[in-house]
Amino acid sequence: QSALTQPASVSGSPGQSITISCTGTSSDIGGYNYVSWYQHHPGKAPKLMIYEVTNRPSGVSNRFSGSKSGNTASLTISGLQAEDEADYYCSSYTSSSTLSFGGGTELTVL
Amino acid sequence: QVQLVQSGAEVKKPGASVKVSCKASGYTFTGYYMHWVRQAPGQGLEWVGWINPNSGGTNSAQRFQGRVTMTRDTSISTAYMELSRLRSDDTAVYYCARDLTVVPTTHLSALDVWGQGTMVTVSS
Repeated sequence: QSALTQPASVSGSPGQSITISCTGTSSDIGGYNYVSWYQHHPGKAPKLMIYEVTNRPSGVSNRFSGSKSGNTASLTISGLQAEDEADYYCSSYTSSSTLSFGGGTELTVL
Repeated sequence: QVQLVQSGAEVKKPGASVKVSCKASGYTFTGYYMHWVRQAPGQGLEWVGWINPNSGGTNSAQRFQGRVTMTRDTSISTAYMELSRLRSDDTAVYYCARDLTVVPTTHLSALDVWGQGTMVTVSS
């Protein structure tokens, strides 16, 4: 069982927006602004999409955005494209000086 | 360019140990924490642990404590993860990944550079 809770799957049509939630506790998401999101295509290494809740690494499309409220973080993808179809994972720093991952969300672009 | 290159696939028997290497290039190896993350077949990402390449200090997920040893050789900019007493459910792709925050730091942040992954298969 993962420490952070994500929906197993979400879907959307090209051009639409979707949001993936990630729920933790006050010992991880709620206690720190060190939430990150990763895109993972099968057979490839994960790719960092969002770090420290809202920041995008250089080269990541501004269609990806992050936010946080209380113990829940969210990743929003606007203007869905076929290439966005992948698994998405959230992660958070914890009070034990560890990292926790969510269970992952499979995004399907219809 | 910043790069992490891992060692090749391994096949081990239950009860054995495996040691995976991760060679860094393109940045100051001792300046950033290194993490290990794994993904079992059909499962999600699972954090294993981190090493501070400067001090050698480590921390790992509770479920791996006592079985995982993370070390580094700064002379060749290489991190190692050894997992002992292997079980079939340790079969997974193991990744090394760099934390984007600079050592020293009071926190961990995000993993901005990843190795290509090493498949470890545990089978009798």
